[in-house]
Amino acid sequence: NAGVMQNPRHLVRRRGQEARLRCSPVKGHSHVYWYRQLPEEGLKFMVYLQKENIIDESGMPKERFSAEFPKEGPSILRIQQVVRGDSAAYFCASSPPTGGAPRADTQYFGPGTRLTVL
Amino acid sequence: DAKTTQPPSMDCAEGRAANLPCNHSTISGNEYVYWYRQIHSQGPQYIIHGLKNNETNEMASLIITEDRKSSTLILPHATLRDTAVYYCIVRVAYNQGGKLIFGQGTELSVKP
Repeated sequence: NAGVMQNPRHLVRRRGQEARLRCSPVKGHSHVYWYRQLPEEGLKFMVYLQKENIIDESGMPKERFSAEFPKEGPSILRIQQVVRGDSAAYFCASSPPTGGAPRADTQYFGPGTRLTVL
Repeated sequence: DAKTTQPPSMDCAEGRAANLPCNHSTISGNEYVYWYRQIHSQGPQYIIHGLKNNETNEMASLIITEDRKSSTLILPHATLRDTAVYYCIVRVAYNQGGKLIFGQGTELSVKP
C-alpha cells in the first residue's frame, strides 16, 4: 500500500508568489492533517480536514493560508503572497475513518514539502 | 490534551536497549499514550500507542505504569538508524479524529 504522498518535495518561491502544496492520503483514509515545522522548531498543527469539510483550523494563520480536501483529488495547502517567514517543512498526515466510535486513530505522515522563500 | 515531559536528549550504545521515559502526570482516563519519532528531515513515523496495558509491536515496546502517570518506550536492540527525536503524546480517542500536539521530544543518539 502506498503511504501518504506529498508533492513537490522541495518548492522555491520568491516573496509575493503563491505556494501550492499537495497531499494524497493513504488509500481509504478520509482524514487529513497539515503540520508545519519551522527551522529548528517543533511540529505545529495547522488544520484538520475531512472530505469537503474543514474540521479544525485553529492552527492556521488568519491570513494568506487556506486548505481544502475536495471530494476528488488531493488535499491542497495554499499560501498566498509568501514571505520569508513561511520557509518551513510542511507535513501532511492522514488517518482512517473512525466509523463513528471513539478510538485511537493513528496518523501516518508523508515525507513533507520543504518550502524556501527567497 | 495532557502535557508530557521528556528528557531533551539521551545516548545509547548500538545493540543495547534504549529506554525512553515520559511523564504525563495529568493524563485522563480516556487519553491514550502515543509515540512517534522523526529521523532528521523526514516525516514523523508512528511507533506505538497504548491506553493502560503494555504493548509490543515489531518496532518497540510500551510500558505504562499502573497509575498511568508515566510510560517508557523500549527499543530492544538500538541501531544507528534509530537515531531520531522521539515524541511522547497523550490524546483523547476521538470519534472525529483530532490533532497531535508535539512537544520538544527526546533526541536519541545511538552510538557505535
